[in-house]
Amino acid sequence: DTAVSQTPKYLVTQMGNDKSIKCEQNLGHDTMYWYKQDSKKFLKIMFSYNNKELIINETVPNRFSPKSPDKAHLNLHINSLELGDSAVYFCASSQVNGELFFGEGSRLTVL
Amino acid sequence: QQQVKQSPQSLIVQKGGISIINCAYENTAFDYFPWYQQFPGKGPALLIAIRPDVSEKKEGRFTISFNKSAKQFSLHIMDSQPGDSATYFCAAEGFQKLVFGTGTRLLVSP
Repeated sequence: DTAVSQTPKYLVTQMGNDKSIKCEQNLGHDTMYWYKQDSKKFLKIMFSYNNKELIINETVPNRFSPKSPDKAHLNLHINSLELGDSAVYFCASSQVNGELFFGEGSRLTVL
Repeated sequence: QQQVKQSPQSLIVQKGGISIINCAYENTAFDYFPWYQQFPGKGPALLIAIRPDVSEKKEGRFTISFNKSAKQFSLHIMDSQPGDSATYFCAAEGFQKLVFGTGTRLLVSP
């Protein structure tokens, strides 16, 4: 039973399209995150939500819009995709100041 | 100030050898220093972590050494095994977020 699951695992799309990635955690954690891992493997936080409230927004373009319908779900919608958005996007969850549990990632390729 | 610098970028170690990865930080507000291990196609997973009130933490073959005055910490992998081949990230937590180092790709040759 996967603790943090995200779908889809792979997305290939054209520039200018809109896409969404969904994330669910069954660990009962209060905090969820989106991280972006670029081609050099650098991991950077994008957003964090605590109990459905936005806590961190790391100067991400407003084409990226997270939505948390409840504390077990955090989705990421990306408008007007650009080449530079190609990356692996990781969802994670934790209790406050606790260990981060990551999903397996969603690899986005923008052509 | 919120960066964590990690070195080396890549490392090749013989089976049975010691792997050492180093990290340095600037912000003294960081109060939790975990190491994450990532295998290809997977998300990072917590390996071992330390708080700044201790100078060393050991779990099996993995040891974190922490130097608070120098603002540096390192991961030592003793008796390195081919199954340890992965990317390792140090991180530092403060201001409700975890800042990751740039990663070290470790290859343990048989």
